[in-house]
Amino acid sequence: DAKTTQPTSMDCAEGRAANLPCNHSTISGNEYVYWYRQIHSQGPQYIIHGLKNNETNEMASLIITEDRKSSTLILPHATLRDTAVYYCIVRIISNFGNEKLTFGTGTRLTIIP
Amino acid sequence: DSGVTQTPKHLITATGQRVTLRCSPRSGDLSVYWYQQSLDQGLQFLIQYYNGEERAKGNILERFSAQQFPDLHSELNLSSLELGDSALYFCASSVGGGGANTQYFGPGTRLTVL
Repeated sequence: DAKTTQPTSMDCAEGRAANLPCNHSTISGNEYVYWYRQIHSQGPQYIIHGLKNNETNEMASLIITEDRKSSTLILPHATLRDTAVYYCIVRIISNFGNEKLTFGTGTRLTIIP
Repeated sequence: DSGVTQTPKHLITATGQRVTLRCSPRSGDLSVYWYQQSLDQGLQFLIQYYNGEERAKGNILERFSAQQFPDLHSELNLSSLELGDSALYFCASSVGGGGANTQYFGPGTRLTVL
């Protein structure tokens, strides 16, 4: 799986959009970009994933650059409950036996009141 | 709530002992994954089962073993426990069968070895 690089930590004011960048310059054409978050010591929570196109769901938007070498997760109106560690993960389009998620150190996002 | 359940929530035991962690996947999911999260190693993939069969192995110690039963629940067995096995153990499940195959995680079991 391609390696990802994320900032160690970020702050965002409550109510503002939180933009979390991720660099995955070695991504290959058959790899997805996934985002998960972990609030304190809870189980990682799936947020969103994408392959080439930008994606949006009820939690967030995912913007993937045209060359796919980087992406940005956008939380449109951050709340205090969004304080968590956010993981950007690149994972190959699965064939059996190759579906593990490789977690890095993530970005610790703190929402400031 | 992801729909994945894990029991127990907390487990405290002594070195040398054996414990069993249990995971029930989301309804309809055939794949189960186990991950370990310790302070110094982060989240690490241990093993995956698909419809009762072992599918992939990660950094799982020989003292650890897992299985998936016909009703698709899974158990992770940890034996000859050492202090360093203290960690959070997460189970995840997915539909399986290829494609995006998004994994959904349970709340975890916190294991403390004294």
